[in-house]
Amino acid sequence: QKEVEQDPGPLSVPEGAIVSLNCTYSNSAFQYFMWYRQYSRKGPELLMYTYSSGNKEDGRFTAQVDKSSKYISLFIRDSQPSDSATYLCAMSVSGGSNYKLTFGKGTLLTVNP
Amino acid sequence: DAGITQSPRHKVTETGTPVTLRCHQTENHRYMYWYRQDPGHGLRLIHYSYGVKDTDKGEVSDGYSVSRSKTEDFLLTLESATSSQTSVYFCAILKTGTNSGANVLTFGAGSRLTVL
Repeated sequence: QKEVEQDPGPLSVPEGAIVSLNCTYSNSAFQYFMWYRQYSRKGPELLMYTYSSGNKEDGRFTAQVDKSSKYISLFIRDSQPSDSATYLCAMSVSGGSNYKLTFGKGTLLTVNP
Repeated sequence: DAGITQSPRHKVTETGTPVTLRCHQTENHRYMYWYRQDPGHGLRLIHYSYGVKDTDKGEVSDGYSVSRSKTEDFLLTLESATSSQTSVYFCAILKTGTNSGANVLTFGAGSRLTVL
């Protein structure tokens, strides 16, 4: 079993839709959870991060972590064509080994006008 | 790209030739990384460095070597390039001490390598 599983999609939605992107993981030691966004032919850029369980909201984006289920989600409200990108989840442990991130394979999202 | 420069950005080479990719940072971060990204595989760690002359292997290190003689430069070398090393290569730096305590990676723009 891979440490982090992410459905690669592709996911295609109409403009204005609510998008749900998800990752599951197996390592219960993960404490930091991140979402990266990668536009075509660009490097990944950090979108959001959360520590431990709970929700975090930033504008149209909400990140959720459910450590009991080992499941994280990214919700995008009122999706826009400019949200079309690959979204990668990433995780790390806390403490001395938190210099290594474990990535999901990414989900390709297309938002159609 | 937050102080990270990768060079070259594009390179086409032939099987068996050596190739060196360069990553340069301007922010004096301790940790630097080389990843490759391929369809169906996502980002895979090749090598990383935790200081000058201090490097370690990632999950796909075979066929690659690295060097870090200065804090700001991290070089990735393919001693004898093969077609399976055709990929997009990303350098990243680790930014520590964020508000929440999380360490986050910041990526360069990528180097697209084609081995014929």
